[in-house]
Amino acid sequence: DVKVTQSSRYLVKRTGEKVFLECVQDMDHENMFWYRQDPGLGLRLIYFSYDVKMKEKGDIPEGYSVSREKKERFSLILESASTNQTSMYLCASSSFGERVSYNEQFFGPGTRLTVL
Amino acid sequence: AQSVTQLDSQVPVFEEAPVELRCNYSSSVSVYLFWYVQYPNQGLQLLLKYLSGSTLVESINGFEAEFNKSQTSFHLRKPSVHISDTAEYFCAVSEWGTYKYIFGTGTRLKVLA
Repeated sequence: DVKVTQSSRYLVKRTGEKVFLECVQDMDHENMFWYRQDPGLGLRLIYFSYDVKMKEKGDIPEGYSVSREKKERFSLILESASTNQTSMYLCASSSFGERVSYNEQFFGPGTRLTVL
Repeated sequence: AQSVTQLDSQVPVFEEAPVELRCNYSSSVSVYLFWYVQYPNQGLQLLLKYLSGSTLVESINGFEAEFNKSQTSFHLRKPSVHISDTAEYFCAVSEWGTYKYIFGTGTRLKVLA
């Protein structure tokens, strides 16, 4: 059974803390994505990576950075957490294939982050 | 610019009644279309997708969606819903040759007994 796992389901942090959200996939996928999900806004792409050490900004990268040192692992970093980063964070992965855009994205269960 | 619109944020429906969840998109190039479902406290799962060919696509649990190019729509339908269909449904679009999906804002389907 294919799997995308995220390190925590729930996380509570304080303003100004550095926060790491980890995502691991076991499908040998080339592409990995970080989204945040907010009520009424749907899913918005923060960053994605199409290869080890490669990354591209999504639609809302401000306040976030990412790291991909190994193919199976993609980390989202909040350098200095703020209350407006309280949200649900979803990781996804997909294979490269011949036509990347139709390859199904597989999602992890999400991490609900609260910043106090 | 590419965008996806799900006009209905919530849809209540009685069990065994039919339902339609609407999705419209805008894009200047060819696209692939997807519906994802999110059950409470879970991540998203692919429900069905349109890549090419027949404009009507079906899922294994009775949902279907029809691609209408002239109306730029990809509405999701089910003739008879079950309590277990209660979930949030997201429409997504991907332009040919890109990695990115653009998601709609989601429609919360609540099936009532």
